[in-house]
Amino acid sequence: AQKVTQAQTEISVVEKEDVTLDCVYETRDTTYYLFWYKQPPSGELVFLIRRNSFDEQNEISGRYSWNFQKSTSSFNFTITASQVVDSAVYFCALRGTQGGSEKLVFGKGTKLTVNP
Amino acid sequence: KAGVTQTPRYLIKTRGQQVTLSCSPISGHRSVSWYQQTPGQGLQFLFEYFSETQRNKGNFPGRFSGRQFSNSRSEMNVSTLELGDSALYLCASSLAGTGYQETQYFGPGTRLLVL
Repeated sequence: AQKVTQAQTEISVVEKEDVTLDCVYETRDTTYYLFWYKQPPSGELVFLIRRNSFDEQNEISGRYSWNFQKSTSSFNFTITASQVVDSAVYFCALRGTQGGSEKLVFGKGTKLTVNP
Repeated sequence: KAGVTQTPRYLIKTRGQQVTLSCSPISGHRSVSWYQQTPGQGLQFLFEYFSETQRNKGNFPGRFSGRQFSNSRSEMNVSTLELGDSALYLCASSLAGTGYQETQYFGPGTRLLVL
């Protein structure tokens, strides 16, 4: 079975603080893909990043960075110098490669509030 | 390029009624997946369609059904609505539906309230 755990239900920070959102996953697949999505109050899930299980390089995109550690089955997301516009619910998701499924398994999400 | 569109955006129904939600994928995308989002259960996979065929189905009762048309547009139907069906229903599309690395792009969702 595949599972994604986002232990932090809610996080509140003050603008310009750095914040890390944790994601731990479980899968028996040797090849799999991990995703992060952002869900602002409007409801639409916005794609942020995709990472495959063979690529453990960390990635940085502007103020966003991702740390993938296969040894600990974690795919954490850091926002540097947070801004009020970063306030949203962030979801980590996993897609395995068994059975030809397009199904994404999501974590419960972390609600991030950035206060001015 | 236009994103995924879903209609209607909001819907209020009463128990026992049925409802049909529509999703138009990004132009050129042939795979459409549906998800249900509730505060208690989070985001759960409903089903996925590719080339007018249902390829995968989540653990939902038979009251939930869907279909895909030749132009890749998809509809989902919920019959005999229950209070617990109140949720945000999200549609996602991807290019060919054959690559696990493909990214699913989501629409704004349809918020269904069952009274």
